[in-house]
Amino acid sequence: DQQVKQNSPSLSVQEGRISILNCDYTNSMFDYFLWYKKYPAEGPTFLISISSIKDKNEDGRFTVFLNKSAKHLSLHIVPSQPGDSAVYFCVISGSARQLTFGSGTQLTVLP
Amino acid sequence: DAGITQSPRHKVTETGTPVTLRCHQTENHRYMYWYRQDPGHGLRLIHYSYGVKDTDKGEVSDGYSVSRSKTEDFLLTLESATSSQTSVYFCAIGDHRGNQPQHFGDGTRLSIL
Repeated sequence: DQQVKQNSPSLSVQEGRISILNCDYTNSMFDYFLWYKKYPAEGPTFLISISSIKDKNEDGRFTVFLNKSAKHLSLHIVPSQPGDSAVYFCVISGSARQLTFGSGTQLTVLP
Repeated sequence: DAGITQSPRHKVTETGTPVTLRCHQTENHRYMYWYRQDPGHGLRLIHYSYGVKDTDKGEVSDGYSVSRSKTEDFLLTLESATSSQTSVYFCAIGDHRGNQPQHFGDGTRLSIL
């Protein structure tokens, strides 16, 4: 039973356009959400996070939106760049700071 | 660079042999974690440690054991490797303060034939 679902395995966007990656979760008790980015042959790297007391957090080109009533999280990248091409994981932080990962979305930004 | 080194980076071994993977950190973080990554599953937690000699199970702990005798080292052992344990293994470290994000090593690719 997946607690974190990323229903789109892949996404392609044109350079300069907006990339929107989506994530759904099942447990309303989760209170901290993160996005990690992963390049091939490297470990995941932290990108941006949001607490459940907020509905938006912005860091440069990256914005995360949280809709608690819908149990939905999204990551917006504007403008998208070819270097953003990577696998993006939606992640939930639980007890003992354990992380639960979604299955990931492969983003490809086309030049 | 978060100061995490995983060794070996690649390993091929046979079913039934013991395997130990090492994670070494230079950040003096309290929390250390072992994950495995498989297609369609993202990363899944195997075991974690919240201090020297303090460890606990994660989501997919069967067939694995861990040890942490020093703050900087966290070992993952497969006592008798099986083909289902072929995977990429990632170590992560975390600070005890608030919701600081975990930092990951570059992974160990393990193939069990």
